[in-house]
Amino acid sequence: QKEVEQNSGPLSVPEGAIASLNCTYSDRVSQSFFWYRQYSGKSPELIMSIYSNGDKEDGRFTAQLNKASQYVSLLIRDSQPSDSATYLCAARNSGNTPLVFGKGTRLSVIA
Amino acid sequence: GAVVSQHPSRVICKSGTSVKIECRSLDFQATTMFWYRQFPKQSLMLMATSNEGSKATYEQGVEKDKFLINHASLTLSTLTVTSAHPEDSSFYICSARNRDRGQENYGYTFGSGTRLTVV
Repeated sequence: QKEVEQNSGPLSVPEGAIASLNCTYSDRVSQSFFWYRQYSGKSPELIMSIYSNGDKEDGRFTAQLNKASQYVSLLIRDSQPSDSATYLCAARNSGNTPLVFGKGTRLSVIA
Repeated sequence: GAVVSQHPSRVICKSGTSVKIECRSLDFQATTMFWYRQFPKQSLMLMATSNEGSKATYEQGVEKDKFLINHASLTLSTLTVTSAHPEDSSFYICSARNRDRGQENYGYTFGSGTRLTVV
């Protein structure tokens, strides 16, 4: 059974702080990893993708991947109240395979 | 960018009736459509995978006769919830794989979701 695990939170951080979101996955053959943001009642939107070990930065977001530890994280710098949402971690194998989602971590950025 | 149009966004139906949800890829060809379901405060759970022109592959525990999936063209996939019951009330989301985008990080586009309420 392929699983993606996340702490459900809520994670509360003050505005301007760094939010750190973590995720582990069980399927060692997973190739690609994704972070999605989902606002209540809305569809997920892609924030970051990563498939190589190390860090990948995009604006205020940094994704980190450690395949040996089967661990993925997302850092959000200078957190804003508009970042308050549920963050979903997802993994997939290569080819025509679906995304496997974690349950999501609810982030609350306090102004 | 790639867009998947999903309709309706919200639907309320009576128990025992059927509801059809459509997902259309507007500017690309969707070779594969994944259908997910999300209950409140839960994650997205894969229901089925459909490839254009083929029968859908359903996940364990998902009744194929209840959730009918049609993927007759490269731009349209439909999910029909037949004989809906209150426990089928959920948020249904489609996700399309773009045939023209082979990169691992670009392959999927989500629809906007359908909130189904069965009363």
